Amino acid sequence: DTGVSQDPRHKITKRGQNVTFRCDPISEHNRLYWYRQTLGQGPEFLTYFQNEAQLEKSRLLSDRFSAERPKGSFSTLEIQRTEQGDSAMYLCASSPSRSDEKLFFGSGTQLSVL
Amino acid sequence: GQQVMQIPQYQHVQEGEDFTTYCNSSTTLSNIQWYKQRPGGHPVFLIQLVKSGEVKKQKRLTFQFGEAKKNSSLHITATQTTDVGTYFCAKGGQGGSEKLVFGKGTKLTVNP
Repeated sequence: DTGVSQDPRHKITKRGQNVTFRCDPISEHNRLYWYRQTLGQGPEFLTYFQNEAQLEKSRLLSDRFSAERPKGSFSTLEIQRTEQGDSAMYLCASSPSRSDEKLFFGSGTQLSVL
Repeated sequence: GQQVMQIPQYQHVQEGEDFTTYCNSSTTLSNIQWYKQRPGGHPVFLIQLVKSGEVKKQKRLTFQFGEAKKNSSLHITATQTTDVGTYFCAKGGQGGSEKLVFGKGTKLTVNP
């Protein structure tokens, strides 16, 4: 399967714990996006990378959130000191280039903070 | 704000009926994309519209981009149970931003 891969599929954690998610984009895609989706809502932009550079970050994104893409391939999204409001589906997407903006989404990581 | 507004939020139809969802923006759009998300699934790209007044068809799906590039629509002819899901429009990057901004979606249910 050469699609976007996310791990884990589900994560249950206690409030205050740190969690980290991984995303492996389609191999030839140099753009990688993180979105968050809650029930009944559309995906909400979190951050975006072109290769290893983080080029844009949502103003709504708390300082508890950090994302990396160290070698321009896979990416990680870390949430520190999780809160119940962080419970959501975290979606990763990739796209090949600026001239082809369509996003290929992974299956997401469903986070539940108890 | 930067949102795109989608209406209706929910639509329930009998199989064989037509369905239309609308996407509106207060600002001129560089492009609009449409995605479909099946229940329990992730968004899947359907189409991108770029030109003013553009109309594209994919089998029973017809996508339109308004002349002023501020609105778009997705029309499904003779719905089938396989059309069930949530349809999102997303506006493309503007003002130096590369992000796609998604609407809240229209959830379609089809009664067989």
